[in-house]
Amino acid sequence: ETGVTQTPRHLVMGMTNKKSLKCEQHLGHNAMYWYKQSAKKPLELMFVYSLEERVENNSVPSRFSPECPNSSHLFLHLHTLQPEDSALYLCASSQDTGGYEQYFGPGTRLTVT
Amino acid sequence: AQSVTQPDIHITVSEGASLELRCNYSYGATPYLFWYVQSPGQGLQLLLKYFSGDTLVQGIKGFEAEFKRSQSSFNLRKPSVHWSDAAEYFCAVGVSTAGNMLTFGGGTRLMVKP
Repeated sequence: ETGVTQTPRHLVMGMTNKKSLKCEQHLGHNAMYWYKQSAKKPLELMFVYSLEERVENNSVPSRFSPECPNSSHLFLHLHTLQPEDSALYLCASSQDTGGYEQYFGPGTRLTVT
Repeated sequence: AQSVTQPDIHITVSEGASLELRCNYSYGATPYLFWYVQSPGQGLQLLLKYFSGDTLVQGIKGFEAEFKRSQSSFNLRKPSVHWSDAAEYFCAVGVSTAGNMLTFGGGTRLMVKP
């Protein structure tokens, strides 16, 4: 398998559930990213990991918890979400931070009921 | 910090017509520049990139972009649009500093009329 994969592709969860999004990159990259994309809003960078260390956290609520166990895998753990958290969550990777092009996964469409 | 502006939120063109999507950036030095395309419900796909050298860059799917330093622009062009080009297009800017992330524009949604 090549590129960046994300699972699941679609997720519906209640506000009291706990779920996780998974991202895997097969490109040998050192940096991985989580973005949130809501309708009619710009792409929002949530978290950045470089060599498994978090280097950016853009004031994201604590109900979103990232985890990067190794340079190929990135998780986003979700708990006690709100309906406004419904969005497309995109994972990306790049050779490193520092202006390199990012390669995106297909995204997880999250609906919070 | 760098910023990216895509002035056109929506553009509609007829199939077979030429296309130009505008992108302006704000940064003191020459940044790295990118165009991405996103089909509905999908991730972003890299169309082309500019790092240095020739200011006219060729990409996939018949797209090209021209870097104009004097205008701080990196406009995307295609001579003849196909119905399958209907999508959202994002311009992005990066700088070669460790820890620096790409900055994305707000996107331009392209609709293609038959």
